[in-house]
Amino acid sequence: RKEVEQDPGPFNVPEGATVAFNCTYSNSASQSFFWYRQDCRKEPKLLMSVYSSGNEDGRFTAQLNRASQYISLLIRDSKLSDSATYLCVVNIDEAGRRALTFGSGTRLQVQP
Amino acid sequence: DTGVSQNPRHKITKRGQNVTFRCDPISEHNRLYWYRQTLGQGPEFLTYFQNEAQLEKSRLLSDRFSAERPKGSFSTLEIQRTEQGDSAMYLCASSSPRGSANRLTEAFFGQGTRLTVV
Repeated sequence: RKEVEQDPGPFNVPEGATVAFNCTYSNSASQSFFWYRQDCRKEPKLLMSVYSSGNEDGRFTAQLNRASQYISLLIRDSKLSDSATYLCVVNIDEAGRRALTFGSGTRLQVQP
Repeated sequence: DTGVSQNPRHKITKRGQNVTFRCDPISEHNRLYWYRQTLGQGPEFLTYFQNEAQLEKSRLLSDRFSAERPKGSFSTLEIQRTEQGDSAMYLCASSSPRGSANRLTEAFFGQGTRLTVV
């Protein structure tokens, strides 16, 4: 099992659609969780942190399920500018190293 | 510009040569990370510094790779005897001293150094 597992996609959705990404992580000791966004040939940028109680930032909602070791990201009312790769991140890898550990990313393509 | 700065942005080298990359983190950030990223993959962790101490190293960091952060500010990543498989984007990130060892804060990335080994 990969340390941080994501469906690679691509997810092709029309503008205005709601889309959800899932992510599972292997080390239950992880305590920090994030979603990053990466545009083609650019560096990853923080989209949002993920809190135990779930959190929302505009059209974006993140949820954490510690029991299932599962993180989700929901994007409502998709915009063309949301097209990117979304990376799930946890803070402790499978070997117990304290390091921000990234999934391979889920690619989103929003179409007009 | 007060973000994370990496130099050079691009490096083309012949197989067998040594290369060194530099990262200047955000000034108040005491944590610094190095990652490697290839096409279609997420960033792969290489190593992590807290101040000048190298606290974590990935098994990906073979004997040919070494990283330093001598004064707890900028860091260098050296690759000796480069191989074609080393071709990748090398990303540096830094994060603030908030949080704890087990609850890391978000990291901010530089634009990376793209290495091509020919």
